[in-house]
Order: sequence, then C-alpha cells, then structure tokens
Amino acid sequence: DIRMTQSPASLSASLGETVNIECLASEDIYSDLAWYQQKPGKSPQLLIYNANSLQNGVPSRFSGSGSGTQYSLKINSLQSEDVATYFCQQYNNYPYTFGAGTKLELK
Amino acid sequence: QVQLKESGPGLVQPSETLSLTCTVSGFSLTSYSVSWVRQPSGKGPEWMGRMWYDGDTAYNSALKSRLSISRDTSKNQVFLKMNSLQTDDTGTYYCTRDPLLGFDYWGQGVMVTVSS
Repeated sequence: DIRMTQSPASLSASLGETVNIECLASEDIYSDLAWYQQKPGKSPQLLIYNANSLQNGVPSRFSGSGSGTQYSLKINSLQSEDVATYFCQQYNNYPYTFGAGTKLELK
Repeated sequence: QVQLKESGPGLVQPSETLSLTCTVSGFSLTSYSVSWVRQPSGKGPEWMGRMWYDGDTAYNSALKSRLSISRDTSKNQVFLKMNSLQTDDTGTYYCTRDPLLGFDYWGQGVMVTVSS
C-alpha cells in the first residue's frame, strides 16, 4: 500500500497568514492526489484534485502543487472559516490511501 | 443537485454483518462510480471499495475477504455488506461520488458502533 505522510500534524496560524501543508507519498503517485477539508462533525469536502486543479466552488486562496512523491496545499490569507482538518489522498494505486490529517487552528 | 445519503443500523454486534444503503440523486450510477469510505473517530479516512459505473467492483485488499458492494440502478442505490465485524470497525461510513479524480460529493455519513 502507498503510505501518505502529512506534516505538520497540527498547525496554529493567524488570520491573513499563509499556510502550507505537506504530503509525502511512499512512492511516485504521478500527481494523482486530492486534498480535502473536513470541519468538525461534517463530511470531507474536495478542494484540489490532480495535485493542482481547484474543485468548482472552492475559493482561489486554496492551491495545490507538487509532483512525484512530494505535494503541498497552500492557503493564502487565512480566513476563520478555514479552521478544519485537511487530508491528502492518493488515487494512483489500489488501495486508495489517505494521510492522517493536519489540524489547522487559529492563533 | 447531487446528493448521496447513507442509511443503516447504528449499532452492530461483534461478529455480525453490517448492511448499509447509499441512495443517490442528481446523477446516474451508470455514469459515475461510487466509493465507500469509512473514518474512525479522530483518524484519517479509509477507502473501502468502489462500485464502477459499468457494474464492476474494486475492494481494499485489507477488507476484501469480508466486504461486498452491489447496486440496484433502478432504485439509484448502492449497497455495502461487511461481515465478521469487530470493535475496530467502529466509525463513520460514507458513500461518495467517485469520478476517478478524488471523491467530489460525500453523503452525510452514518455512525456505526460495533458493541455488544
């Protein structure tokens, strides 16, 4: 199975700040990577697919980048509604696998 | 609009079988695949398996011996059956629309507790 390692596990940032979350795959996943946002008590929501494509309706302050085994999610100008847990997920190989999550809080 | 809704029992006895139904609207099961994803409380999600738009299935190898996914296209429903449940199967179970580029719509989830 492909292991997805996210860092950091938790993050505290101020409003307006830029945040970066990293995701490392245990092997090349050829940009078959998605990012999700999950707020407490809610279902995950797709933010990014194909490593850098913004899902319809997602604010442009979210962006994704990376290739090979290293990927990142960037949030520009952090808003209060961005407080959530973020997960990466690979869909290059079965079984599809998720990272353990990054919990983002306001400082 | 696209909607998915899971239904099924919230409590299952250890060693028993879990049966869940996902009822979809706003898209066709013959045009989109549907995946089941589960999530233990406070942990990352786990992909369980997929019902392809053509009726084929794919399963997580860790669950394959216990898991079965089927569908009824006339009722817009996808079914999950998993046997020999244990306490570490406790969590929230989601069905998702799966356009093969991540999961773009998720149901509200159903919380399943395995306990006697």
